[in-house]
Amino acid sequence: DSGVTQTPKHLITATGQRVTLRCSPRSGDLSVYWYQQSLDQGLQFLIQYYNGEERAKGNILERFSAQQFPDLHSELNLSSLELGDSALYFCASSVRLRADTGELFFGEGSRLTVL
Amino acid sequence: AQTVTQSQPEMSVQEAETVTLSCTYDTSESDYYLFWYKQPPSRQMILVIRQEAYKQQNATENRFSVNFQKAAKSFSLKISDSQLGDAAMYFCAYNAGGTSYGKLTFGQGTILTVHP
Repeated sequence: DSGVTQTPKHLITATGQRVTLRCSPRSGDLSVYWYQQSLDQGLQFLIQYYNGEERAKGNILERFSAQQFPDLHSELNLSSLELGDSALYFCASSVRLRADTGELFFGEGSRLTVL
Repeated sequence: AQTVTQSQPEMSVQEAETVTLSCTYDTSESDYYLFWYKQPPSRQMILVIRQEAYKQQNATENRFSVNFQKAAKSFSLKISDSQLGDAAMYFCAYNAGGTSYGKLTFGQGTILTVHP
């Protein structure tokens, strides 16, 4: 158990809908990361927050948004869902701002299926 | 842009034998960080080993070791005395450090099967 909690574990929804994925980082970790894993694109970095502020952005679609709250949990909002958004969405956390100085701890992921 | 390539979609090994997983990357940076992550059927990504590019010595973690060839931009993972629990998808990952912060660029992964 990495200590990173993601909910829900599975989610099935329809095209055009909006969903929110939630992540609770390990106790004491200030950085939260979101990654998308799909068969087509592999594992892709979406976004990173550190202590409530956005710090790095990857290939995140405009239909997607995220935030980190004062209690350090994070939410990833996916709207106007398309079939291609079906994927496993991982949250990871770490103590520090940079990956080079420490390990990222991953949650078990949220499996999103868009029908 | 940095890219990471794993040219072996699947590999297999007999229990107790040694297997090497390949990874190449492309970067213009001189300082960076490389990782191998394991993803078992439970889906959770687990760090196996990391290597700092400025270190010439290859990293080792128990049965896991890397062969880091900076000039060739190659970063292979060797698993010695393979165990059934090593069966998983293995991902090679790159981080440019600095203002890349926590962004990891992953390869496509290699599925490792361990035969008893």
